[in-house]
Amino acid sequence: GAVVSQHPSWVICKSGTSVKIECRSLDFQATTMFWYRQFPKQSLMLMATSNEGSKATYEQGVEKDKFLINHASLTLSTLTVTSAHPEDSSFYICSASSGDEENQPQHFGDGTRLSIL
Amino acid sequence: AQKITQTQPGMFVQEKEAVTLDCTYDTSDPSYGLFWYKQPSSGEMIFLIYQGSYDQQNATEGRYSLNFQKARKSANLVISASQLGDSAMYFCAMRQPNTGFQKLVFGTGTRLLVSP
Repeated sequence: GAVVSQHPSWVICKSGTSVKIECRSLDFQATTMFWYRQFPKQSLMLMATSNEGSKATYEQGVEKDKFLINHASLTLSTLTVTSAHPEDSSFYICSASSGDEENQPQHFGDGTRLSIL
Repeated sequence: AQKITQTQPGMFVQEKEAVTLDCTYDTSDPSYGLFWYKQPSSGEMIFLIYQGSYDQQNATEGRYSLNFQKARKSANLVISASQLGDSAMYFCAMRQPNTGFQKLVFGTGTRLLVSP
């Protein structure tokens, strides 16, 4: 149980393109999903917390207009990197929690490797 | 602010031996949760084990166990009988208490290499 699917797994596109990444909880409902960015050989950096039916909460330093997050349903959150540039190239990974209990882990998607040429 | 520290950037262990990956944390809240995740080179994050701040016993999950020393604020991961497939990055994380969204704070990770 508690499977999170992330799509696409790999994107290569030209500078100026907008890229949408989907994160789906397949067998549970996730009122909250999280979006992380990870640079090579570094830890995960939380970008934003996505709540179903409301605006995302962004971490300090993350541009809201650059990284658009939509959480339209209890099983789907999307991250759109608008007008992507080479500096946006990174590994993006989402997670969701199947409950609010203290011991509930976040379950992660497989991540998306984004390369902007 | 809550903080997680993993002081070992890399660790080597021989197959079938045990290895301990260190994790210390800093929080002023009495209620918190600690998690360990494994990240293979393919990138996915795999949940390994959880320890709650009020848990009386150290958590165990198969070959994984947590050496939880609350007074020292440490939650070291012990992997017994290492296997080649254990080679990966390992991240310690703490759930930020009293945040409505249950955010996680991650350490910088330890790269484990298991040799034959």
